[in-house]
Amino acid sequence: NAGVTQTPKFRVLKTGQSMTLLCAQDMNHEYMYWYRQDPGMGLRLIHYSVGEGTTAKGEVPDGYNVSRLKKQNFLLGLESAAPSQTSVYFCASSYRGLAGNNEQFFGPGTRLTVL
Amino acid sequence: ILNVEQSPQSLHVQEGDSTNFTCSFPSSNFYALHWYRWETAKSPEALFVMTLNGDEKKKGRISATLNTKEGYSYLYIKGSQPEDSATYLCATNAGGTSYGKLTFGQGTILTVHP
Repeated sequence: NAGVTQTPKFRVLKTGQSMTLLCAQDMNHEYMYWYRQDPGMGLRLIHYSVGEGTTAKGEVPDGYNVSRLKKQNFLLGLESAAPSQTSVYFCASSYRGLAGNNEQFFGPGTRLTVL
Repeated sequence: ILNVEQSPQSLHVQEGDSTNFTCSFPSSNFYALHWYRWETAKSPEALFVMTLNGDEKKKGRISATLNTKEGYSYLYIKGSQPEDSATYLCATNAGGTSYGKLTFGQGTILTVHP
């Protein structure tokens, strides 16, 4: 069981470039989440998905898009990267549960720098 | 957006000390409170998920309590060890149709000195 994996681990982009971060989980979880982590800010939810083919906005969705074409994968896209998107990105997944009482399992993170 | 606050922001203790820290959250429309342990260069890992007022959970030397009526949870570490050094995150959700969306506090950074 690999759990939650993220690709790539590190990336440096120039302003205006685009990229896609891939999250994969092998636990058959229904729910998947993308967070960003900035110093002093904790984890903030970007987008989430409650199942294949469905996505929704979180707390800080601007500048990001997501897709969940397969249950096990959740992609986070940056169409035109900005320095404000320099951050560490974490993907997480969980079973469907009663109103969020299931623990979330996190990936190892992707460190993104936008110059 | 929920307001989840943790205190203190950071804490330095000596090996063998017991310590505790606080998570405050809105008490209305409560469904669950999560505690995660986050070691440097690793991913957050769940310690506890609590749902009922008065819940107490324990894992080894770490325990947590929950008061949903007043909106707080305490995390206790008994006899701290250097390997307990980590950031401890709490999170709660809006309940209802939030599909497990969690709002995290900013974390308490614990450093245990040998």
